[in-house]
Amino acid sequence: LAKTTQPISMDSYEGQEVNITCSHNNIATNDYITWYQQFPSQGPRFIIQGYKTKVTNEVASLFIPADRKSSTLSLPRVSLSDTAVYYCLVGDPNTGNQFYFGTGTSLTVIP
Amino acid sequence: EAGVTQFPSHSVIEKGQTVTLRCDPISGHDNLYWYRRVMGKEIKFLLHFVKESKQDESGMPNNRFLAERTGGTYSTLKVQPAELEDSGVYFCASSVGLAGGLVSDTQYFGPGTRLTVL
Repeated sequence: LAKTTQPISMDSYEGQEVNITCSHNNIATNDYITWYQQFPSQGPRFIIQGYKTKVTNEVASLFIPADRKSSTLSLPRVSLSDTAVYYCLVGDPNTGNQFYFGTGTSLTVIP
Repeated sequence: EAGVTQFPSHSVIEKGQTVTLRCDPISGHDNLYWYRRVMGKEIKFLLHFVKESKQDESGMPNNRFLAERTGGTYSTLKVQPAELEDSGVYFCASSVGLAGGLVSDTQYFGPGTRLTVL
């Protein structure tokens, strides 16, 4: 079971790029890395998913080194509305078993 | 396209009572998952359905919890009898699954049901 470790909290000013790193030393061969964003009183919302190297979509980029023991979510030019908790989730989506949520990183964007 | 929906959004019951939570996955999604977050703790996996079959229920805390997925569509999670420590937010998620022919699969979460046991 791949356990994840993230910083508990981060602060950033509006307009800056934010990088949140997740450690997953026990990641298995078939595990994918998925990042979610969660606002208070809402369910986690999918941001991005990757297996290795770099993945980019319209809202974020995900960097995964060759050993896959960590991953970094990059949010370009954050705004106040990006204030939320960000979770790194590691698991095998093709079996769907025992996905593990870490403690999450509480990001606060400052005006 | 409608997302994952959960009902009720909030339930307050007394210890010893029974509560049933419902989850309607995204249409066409074979996989359905239940998670919960107890106050101050991390979100934890409870169980996983593939269509109507339980793929993995190793996260279920005890036999007071019963999950079903009738006909591979919506799912219910019954807690009977409820205890104080069952209070928390119960999330449901769904994904397309292997039948979608995808290399990887993404879980989409509902808004959660907040359960308070008094």
